[in-house]
Amino acid sequence: ETGVTQTPRHLVMGMTNKKSLKCEQHLGHNAMYWYKQSAKKPLELMFVYSLEERVENNSVPSRFSPECPNSSHLFLHLHTLQPEDSALYLCASSQDGGFTSGRIKPDEQFFGPGTRLTVL
Amino acid sequence: TQLLEQSPQFLSIQEGENLTVYCNSSSVFSSLQWYRQEPGEGPVLLVTVVTGGEVKKLKRLTFQFGDARKDSSLHITAAQPGDTGLYLCAANPPMYSGGGADGLTFGKGTHLIIQP
Repeated sequence: ETGVTQTPRHLVMGMTNKKSLKCEQHLGHNAMYWYKQSAKKPLELMFVYSLEERVENNSVPSRFSPECPNSSHLFLHLHTLQPEDSALYLCASSQDGGFTSGRIKPDEQFFGPGTRLTVL
Repeated sequence: TQLLEQSPQFLSIQEGENLTVYCNSSSVFSSLQWYRQEPGEGPVLLVTVVTGGEVKKLKRLTFQFGDARKDSSLHITAAQPGDTGLYLCAANPPMYSGGGADGLTFGKGTHLIIQP
C-alpha cells in the first residue's frame, strides 16, 4: 500500500465511449502525475500537476483530458480513444520542493497500482 | 535514442545466484532512482542515489551511482524468488525548465525472474 489509490483497476471501452480514471493520494503531497506504460516502451509521462496547476502537457493527444480539482485527487477523462491507447495508466504523487529546491531535491514519486485499459 | 538504457532487458537465473543490472546514459543527472514493479502493481521506490560514486545497500541489494553521475548499477546477492519483478531506473531530465515538479524519465526496465 503506497498511499495512492486508483479506480477502476481494469477498464474495457469502445472507441466511442467516454470514461474517466480516478486517482487519490493520502500522503499530503502537492504534485500528481499521470504516466502511460505500454508493452516494450518506457513509462511515459503524460501530465504533471503541481499545486493543482498543470505544469506539463508533454504533447499528449487531446482525447486525454486531465483534471485536478484539489491536491488529493486527479482524474483522466478519456474520449474517442484508439486501440493503441490500450495500456497501463499509472498515477503518482510527490512532494514538490518548489523553486527554492529546484533540481537538488530528488523527485521521489509514489505510484498507484494503475488502471489496465483496453480499447476495443 | 533513449535517455536511460537498461541492460539486460530480460534475465532469468536460479535462486542463490548473484546478478547485476545496469542503467546507462550519456547525460548527467542530479539524482537517479531505482524502482521495482510487480505484475498488476505500480512501481515502488527502492532507493535514490545522489552523489557520484555513492553506494547504498538495502539488505541483499547494492546500488551504485557512477562517479560521473551518468550511470548506475544494481547488484543482488543470493537472489530469491521474491526478487522477481521489473526493475526500473528513473531520473529527472537533465534540462532545467525553471522549477516546480517534474515527472521522471524512465528506462525500459530489466525483467528479472528468479527460479526456485
